Amino acid sequence: DTGVSQNPRHKITKRGQNVTFRCDPISEHNRLYWYRQTLGQGPEFLTYFQNEAQLEKSRLLSDRFSAERPKGSFSTLEIQRTEQGDSAMYLCASSLDVFGYTFGSGTRLTVV
Amino acid sequence: EDQVTQSPEALRLQEGESSSLNCSYTVSGLRGLFWYRQDPGKGPEFLFTLYSAGEEKEKERLKATLTKKESFLHITAPKPEDSATYLCAVRTDSGYSTLTFGKGTMLLVSP
Repeated sequence: DTGVSQNPRHKITKRGQNVTFRCDPISEHNRLYWYRQTLGQGPEFLTYFQNEAQLEKSRLLSDRFSAERPKGSFSTLEIQRTEQGDSAMYLCASSLDVFGYTFGSGTRLTVV
Repeated sequence: EDQVTQSPEALRLQEGESSSLNCSYTVSGLRGLFWYRQDPGKGPEFLFTLYSAGEEKEKERLKATLTKKESFLHITAPKPEDSATYLCAVRTDSGYSTLTFGKGTMLLVSP
């Protein structure tokens, strides 16, 4: 297993378009997290899955954002009607318990 | 609301010049304090977890310590390859499954 994989690594999109990111966690990890990081800031929590259940969502996650984790495996994060303020690094992490997070390398989104 | 403050924002050291990074926190019930290293364009890489005041952990040139209000990351005789952003995060009673991060300290070690 090579760790947490995120695709694409970079995405440039025009304002108003929809984008979808994918995260493949470490195979035995049942917990999956999405964070967002802007320049000069630490990662901010967006949402959390345990298996296929979405257990927690941040108030940062507006109704334009939706995340899924079908069958408790990979996860997707979709942003509809993108805005320039959505430009950020989107990080996925997975863990087997509450203590051992492993992050992926992230997807950098640029909205032009 | 849980808060994590890291200082300094940026630190420039000469190779071999030891120093410390600070992470102060105001939280409702600390369940763990985490240190991560982040290289440009990459995700955070786990370094240490500390759970209780007085605890210390070491890895190569890095040593993390924890008190009831803050944590320090001591860097002994740093090398240029230690240059990175160091992030501190907490897990607390109010967000048990998630981490609250500070803004990080950007460390640059010059040869």
